[in-house]
Amino acid sequence: EVQLLDSGGGLEQPGGSLRLSCAASGFTFRRYAMTWVRQAPGKGLEWVSTITGVDRGGAIYYADSVKGRFTISRDDSKNTLYLYMDSLRAEDTATYYCTKMIPNSGWPFDYWGRGTLVTVSS
Amino acid sequence: QSALTQPASVSGSPGQSITISCTGTNADIGAYNHVSWYQQHPGKVPKLIIYDVSERPSGSSNRFSGSKSGNTAFLTISGLQAEDEADYHCSSYRSATLVFGGGTKLTVL
Repeated sequence: EVQLLDSGGGLEQPGGSLRLSCAASGFTFRRYAMTWVRQAPGKGLEWVSTITGVDRGGAIYYADSVKGRFTISRDDSKNTLYLYMDSLRAEDTATYYCTKMIPNSGWPFDYWGRGTLVTVSS
Repeated sequence: QSALTQPASVSGSPGQSITISCTGTNADIGAYNHVSWYQQHPGKVPKLIIYDVSERPSGSSNRFSGSKSGNTAFLTISGLQAEDEADYHCSSYRSATLVFGGGTKLTVL
């Protein structure tokens, strides 16, 4: 059974940093592209960042809204996905979901973590 | 403002069919057959119900179907049931990025 356990959220001040983690199990993690998606309270979904699997060389992509501030990475030996968030802003307040992508398709997310809430406020 | 445009709300009665639209541009929906749809019940995690315009993942009801015309994608739900009441989000691949719609709230009357 595929499981994604995202964690690391919390309350942080503007300008601060946080690191989110996502522990994956139930599939061959290194072969799959993974993505972080966020959802601000009462709002729609927003794509944040994607990292491809070993077969695509671990290519990385970011939304313009987080480029230069967030860093996605993965440790295939630990089956874990990360999102390091720096220079946090109030508008980064959201629930962050770790997602697994269906390969060889248009970036659909077939499995989601339960989400971890990030609140940026002074 | 979201990159893809969805109606804020739609409604229908049990047993009816409804269609939700998702309008983009010729850089996303019009350029790729890579539209996905997600169902999200209140307080719950989104669930993939359609991908690549019209493909259903394992576990997705055959009452959900997807289509596309030009820069607009459509999600049709047939035989509406009370459990279909939820938010529906569309997304489209756009040249090494992904864009979402703002979401549509479906009310089953």
